[in-house]
Amino acid sequence: GPKVLQIPSHQIIDMGQMVTLNCDPVSNHLYFYWYKQILGQQMEFLVNFYNGKVMEKSKLFKDQFSVERPDGSYFTLKIQPTALEDSAVYFCASSLEGLGISYEQYFGPGTRLTVL
Amino acid sequence: GEKVEQHESTLSVREGDSAVINCTYTDTASSYFPWYKQEAGKSLHFVIDIRSNVDRKQSQRLTVLLDKKAKRFSLHITATQPEDSAIYFCAASRGYNQGKLIFGQGTKLSIKP
Repeated sequence: GPKVLQIPSHQIIDMGQMVTLNCDPVSNHLYFYWYKQILGQQMEFLVNFYNGKVMEKSKLFKDQFSVERPDGSYFTLKIQPTALEDSAVYFCASSLEGLGISYEQYFGPGTRLTVL
Repeated sequence: GEKVEQHESTLSVREGDSAVINCTYTDTASSYFPWYKQEAGKSLHFVIDIRSNVDRKQSQRLTVLLDKKAKRFSLHITATQPEDSAIYFCAASRGYNQGKLIFGQGTKLSIKP
């Protein structure tokens, strides 16, 4: 079936550094999402993105976070600067566009971010 | 804020028996309810979903029931198999503008031989 790819699978960085997480969504999907999962806890929504704009973000999406998808390339989540509490697995997802109908969100394998 | 509560954190059933996982939600505007399965070390894999215009949906061994009055929905797995062992997450969404999914805490389902 359709696959969402994420690069890298693991990233270890020092607190205060910048990190960019990359997502290659399903090719004909137009909605993109980032979710955060701390070990052993539930998945939590960060942000969704459509047509070059953030549609909705949660309170977890701090000022240090930003997303973009320049020219149809990777959908990226940038954290600058990172903090210890940013350590988690970050999942990217994508879905089809639909007027008034939700479609299945396809999830990538996740990027495990460790901030030291 | 919006919450989805998943009542069983763990569930163990004998192979061949049925398993039921229950969820409740708080946002009355929720209209889309997917279920995902996560095997150890892997990502979420879509299992089945239901929209608020129906109260039941079946796909092979899986059935989802939705009770909008009680704000409750459940996943029923019949004739369980070892490969059904995983963590199952329920989620809810308002269903417009491809909105955010609010996830439950997950239920670890173990199928005993």
